[in-house]
Amino acid sequence: DAGVTQSPTHLIKTRGQQVTLRCSPKSGHDTVSWYQQALGQGPQFIFQYYEEEERQRGNFPDRFSGHQFPNYSSELNVNALLLGDSALYLCASSGVGETQYFGPGTRLLVL
Amino acid sequence: GQSLEQPSEVTAVEGAIVQINCTYQTSGFYGLSWYQQHDGGAPTFLSYNALDGLEETGRFSSFLSRSDSYGYLLLQELQMKDSASYFCAALYSGAGSYQLTFGKGTKLSVIP
Repeated sequence: DAGVTQSPTHLIKTRGQQVTLRCSPKSGHDTVSWYQQALGQGPQFIFQYYEEEERQRGNFPDRFSGHQFPNYSSELNVNALLLGDSALYLCASSGVGETQYFGPGTRLLVL
Repeated sequence: GQSLEQPSEVTAVEGAIVQINCTYQTSGFYGLSWYQQHDGGAPTFLSYNALDGLEETGRFSSFLSRSDSYGYLLLQELQMKDSASYFCAALYSGAGSYQLTFGKGTKLSVIP
């Protein structure tokens, strides 16, 4: 039984570019949440997807958008990248009312 | 907003026992999770408490007291490999969904 998977593992972009990160949830999970984790900080909630809709959103600008597909996989898109967007981006999946299990993350560096 | 408080750093000796405390805000609180994260890695799920009391998983135990808005993670028989950051994360419910809010993490250093 595969756990949560994410791709790519590492990514380097320049300011102003756009990036798409991908996540496949753990088998049996229908909810996907995305987090940003800066160095030395705890993960910060970006948004959560359920039934292909954004259900909750944290305090992130509209440059951060997402999508969930019918197979429950999800994408995180970030437009107009800033240096401050450099971080570890984590995807977590869960069932209803359950805690979340994290993927290995995508480490994004913006130059 | 919803915030969690936990100590920033703890140091303990190999073979000892260490307790990491966490306090949280109660509005919408559903349950408390604990995650371990090694440098450069992703958070790994350790335990989850939805009810008051102690949950034991091998060398790790987690406790929750809803009346005190408090929980802790207990690590026994510490090993060098336990050196990592430990995050408490509260699951909050609202508007038909559940959101996980993390503390800032406790960096545990295990010394010989």
